Amino acid sequence: NAGVTQTPKFRVLKTGQSMTLLCAQDMNHEYMYWYRQDPGMGLRLIHYSVGEGTTAKGEVPDGYNVSRLKKQNFLLGLESAAPSQTSVYFCATHRGGGEKLFFGSGTQLSVL
Amino acid sequence: KQEVTQIPAALSVPEGENLVLNCSFTDSAIYNLQWFRQDPGKGLTSLLLIQSSQREQTSGRLNASLDKSSGRSTLYIAASQPGDSATYLCAATHDYKLSFGAGTTVTVRA
Repeated sequence: NAGVTQTPKFRVLKTGQSMTLLCAQDMNHEYMYWYRQDPGMGLRLIHYSVGEGTTAKGEVPDGYNVSRLKKQNFLLGLESAAPSQTSVYFCATHRGGGEKLFFGSGTQLSVL
Repeated sequence: KQEVTQIPAALSVPEGENLVLNCSFTDSAIYNLQWFRQDPGKGLTSLLLIQSSQREQTSGRLNASLDKSSGRSTLYIAASQPGDSATYLCAATHDYKLSFGAGTTVTVRA
């Protein structure tokens, strides 16, 4: 999706290393989300934000932190990566008011 | 906690056949329900969004229905084509958050 950009697209980490995933959107959307997708489990919400400067925990927040200092950017941090965090991570955004969700193309993360 | 289920997990049909994909959810207090398409290695693309006050939405060959009282939504794809091969996911919105099903992977055989 041209409006939601995720970087990096692929990353391999060693256990205990840290990293930050960046989500940038150019649609002026208020709501931003981080999901992880694992085989057979659908997408699970990690953290989300309902506007600049706000963050909230989702379904599986442990081991992750987020920040939304600017409206267009939503950062997902892994302080000490674990093999259980091997997954595909998706960022998504929407305007609010029940509007449809727009997704980034994902980040494939492997933790060895 | 909202639980969203999609059965079957996979479906294979010959070209031209109509597709029927099912989605069920446990909490009927939803704001809306969305259907998404996901191609391998790609992100999700929203296909249809049904508000809680609506019963169905249509876009081209796609039609989605919503029955909140029974906790079900159905996606119909008419006259399937090989290009419809993908994974289809549904998601129920409640309190700003979407709960996703695991998806149905569709293969349309030429």
